[in-house]
Amino acid sequence: NAGVTQTPKFRILKIGQSMTLQCTQDMNHNYMYWYRQDPGMGLKLIYYSVGAGITDKGEVPNGYNVSRSTTEDFPLRLELAAPSQTSVYFCASTSQETQYFGPGTRLLVL
Amino acid sequence: EDQVTQSPEALRLQEGESSSLNCSYTVSGLRGLFWYRQDPGKGPEFLFTLYSAGEEKEKERLKATLTKKESFLHITAPKPEDSATYLCAVQESGGGADGLTFGKGTHLIIQP
Repeated sequence: NAGVTQTPKFRILKIGQSMTLQCTQDMNHNYMYWYRQDPGMGLKLIYYSVGAGITDKGEVPNGYNVSRSTTEDFPLRLELAAPSQTSVYFCASTSQETQYFGPGTRLLVL
Repeated sequence: EDQVTQSPEALRLQEGESSSLNCSYTVSGLRGLFWYRQDPGKGPEFLFTLYSAGEEKEKERLKATLTKKESFLHITAPKPEDSATYLCAVQESGGGADGLTFGKGTHLIIQP
């Protein structure tokens, strides 16, 4: 099992551009999450999903959208990138109430 | 008001010098408290889950304990490879699928 994989590893966006952060897990987990981590701050929950077709907002959802068409994939969409979205983004999936994290995507918006 | 507060923010120890990291939390009902290790440029790596006061878990040089208001991560005779940021997170009870609430972490440096 590869676990939780994320692509890309690093991306630079211009203000107003859009992009999709990819997250895939091969463990057949129903629950998946997106977090962002800013320097010196704890991880903040953006969106989560309890299964294909079901998503819900977390603590900081503004400026983001998600979809969950399959159990394996949980992409995060930024429609109009803003400098405040410069961060490191982590995807996670849950097995027996423990969240396992991917390696992260570092995003820089200039 | 932060629900999860970790202290100290940073800690520098000599190799072999034991110490403890603190995680205090304020939630109405605790479903689970989680400890993760995070290396620079990597995702958090799961260490322990604690569910009830009095519970303890051990792994190599690490031992996590839990009371009704805080958790400690004890590091015994640390080695330089234990250098990392240690994250504490809580999940509130309620039956939902809500994510974790994280503290800001403790940056631990073990000097040889």
